[in-house]
Amino acid sequence: AQSVTQPDIHITVSEGASLELRCNYSYGATPYLFWYVQSPGQGLQLLLKYFSGDTLVQGIKGFEAEFKRSQSSFNLRKPSVHWSDAAEYFCAAEKGGSQGNLIFGKGTKLSVKP
Amino acid sequence: EAGVTQSPTHLIKTRGQQATLRCSPISGHTSVYWYQQALGLGLQFLLWYDEGEERNRGNFPPRFSGRQFPNYSSELNVNALELEDSALYLCASGSGGGAAETQYFGPGTRLLVL
Repeated sequence: AQSVTQPDIHITVSEGASLELRCNYSYGATPYLFWYVQSPGQGLQLLLKYFSGDTLVQGIKGFEAEFKRSQSSFNLRKPSVHWSDAAEYFCAAEKGGSQGNLIFGKGTKLSVKP
Repeated sequence: EAGVTQSPTHLIKTRGQQATLRCSPISGHTSVYWYQQALGLGLQFLLWYDEGEERNRGNFPPRFSGRQFPNYSSELNVNALELEDSALYLCASGSGGGAAETQYFGPGTRLLVL
């Protein structure tokens, strides 16, 4: 079955430190991949997406993600975390074929220490 | 440009009642997607409407239904409410086509079933 796995439920980093959030997918072929962020009580905001081409994708708020086909991974990174980055982050995939639905990972909650 | 809007922001119902949730997509978008975010279950795909037609449905019982109006806004109806229907219901819109399209999310409607 198609699935998206985010192995880390909760991560705490110090402000100014670097961040990497992990995402692995299980699909028959490379899906379309997305990272969303959700602040408490809010909807989801798109950070970045990968459809094809360059495997390093730049997004908003200084985030980037790298697609690695050999590892079925799409990890999200940020070189220096700000306190305002504290939120829950969701990796999502869409198989394509006009099914329309995104399959989400369970999310990783990011806490930022001052 | 206005984003995806949802109403109401909060809804309290009792078991057995019906709930109606509303979503207005971004101007120019023809697709509307509905997701349920229940505690412990993560984000799960409910329904996809495009050009007034239901295009795909997630693994939910028939008491979850909806429709899309000629102006592309959408309603989600949940009949015979059960306690486990308590969740944040997120609507997203897209420019149509399903595959490889970016979904933009609204702030959600929080449904509480007592």
